Amino acid sequence: QTVVTQEPSFSVSPGGTVTLTCGLSSGSVSTRNYPNWFQQTPGQAPRTLIYNTNSRSSGVPGRFSGSILGNKAALTIAGAQADDESAYYCLLHLGSGIWMFGGGTKLTVL
Amino acid sequence: QVQLQESGPGLVNPSETLSLTCKVSGASMTDSYWSWIRQPPGKGLEWIGWIGFNDYSVTTKSNPSLGSRVTMSLDTSKNQFSLNLASVTAADTAVYYCASSPDGSYGVGYWGQGTLVPVSS
Repeated sequence: QTVVTQEPSFSVSPGGTVTLTCGLSSGSVSTRNYPNWFQQTPGQAPRTLIYNTNSRSSGVPGRFSGSILGNKAALTIAGAQADDESAYYCLLHLGSGIWMFGGGTKLTVL
Repeated sequence: QVQLQESGPGLVNPSETLSLTCKVSGASMTDSYWSWIRQPPGKGLEWIGWIGFNDYSVTTKSNPSLGSRVTMSLDTSKNQFSLNLASVTAADTAVYYCASSPDGSYGVGYWGQGTLVPVSS
């Protein structure tokens, strides 16, 4: 059974840059997996940041960017702010119309 | 702007069927893919499935881990889509979200606010 992998936790200093990754337990992530990235704060619905690898959702600041880095999808946050402290989830298309979320990364800004 | 609103029961008994409906505004039911996602309390997101039109016919795909318990439908006349999850247990207690694909792409672009569905007798 394929698993989508994410770092469980990460920390970044205010103003710093952080890159979160999203991989597959077997195989490499490519644009054909249509990586999506979401931000979620406690008690709120998730918010879409990135879809189709690197397309920013409407209203998402330019300091959020998506890419493929090596064999993983990546979400880079530049100039981290206090309100970026959230859980971040990726979503990958595994083929045949089946999708899977990663376990999420809890980002701390301190 | 696409807006989605879930509605359903406040509580479901074990072994019964959980039924949810998502009302859509700001989008055509034929132009997007419509998804269901859930999140158990304190845990991560789980993709349940999607429904949409492919070549003028309705197609559905669901998480293999949920087996045949998932049924989805779409009503274009009412601009809504629905989820039925059969034979529920306490493990199905979660916040259930409906969602739609991003404009012209795949995955999830827009989210409903979510509705908590406890499974308990």
